[in-house]
Amino acid sequence: DAGITQSPRHKVTETGTPVTLRCHQTENHRYMYWYRQDPGHGLRLIHYSYGVKDTDKGEVSDGYSVSRSKTEDFLLTLESATSSQTSVYFCAIRPSQGRGLFETQYFGPGTRLLVL
Amino acid sequence: EDQVTQSPEALRLQEGESSSLNCSYTVSGLRGLFWYRQDPGKGPEFLFTLYSAGEEKEKERLKATLTKKESFLHITAPKPEDSATYLCAPSTGTASKLTFGTGTRLQVTL
Repeated sequence: DAGITQSPRHKVTETGTPVTLRCHQTENHRYMYWYRQDPGHGLRLIHYSYGVKDTDKGEVSDGYSVSRSKTEDFLLTLESATSSQTSVYFCAIRPSQGRGLFETQYFGPGTRLLVL
Repeated sequence: EDQVTQSPEALRLQEGESSSLNCSYTVSGLRGLFWYRQDPGKGPEFLFTLYSAGEEKEKERLKATLTKKESFLHITAPKPEDSATYLCAPSTGTASKLTFGTGTRLQVTL
């Protein structure tokens, strides 16, 4: 158990509504990531963070923003949800020290989002 | 552009029937190759990291190997509890960004 929780676990919303997903970790790891998983595409990186207030874009960042005001929380916001953002969203953390040169990402349980 | 292809897309084995899953990749600046297992409705679970061509790692009935362009996940005498989707992902860049394949869905029957 990597100490990662995601909330909510399931959400149904309407097109045009803002949505915020939360990723919480208990171990103060430096790196946090948001991915989405869709059939036929695998997991794709949306945004990631390498410290408080330090974030960068991933492969599919359009329509998403992130914030990290505390080490333990990484928020993903859909400013105006669209049906194409219906997906399963996973948060991952990467320990910032130990485990050798290339550390492993550990994933949370996911959030299922349905945009109607 | 980084690309990862996993084959086959789906594989059905009988218990005890060994096989291999393939992960072919084209990336710039490989830092590591990761294998994950994913059960339905859950997040990916880490299995292995391979860092250089020729490296092998084992865990129970699973063995992962790495070449310069491919990685294989060998499953020896599988059991029904090995049924899952297996994902591979090369890692690149200082942020250790992962590029995932679409996975191989493995079903092991009695």
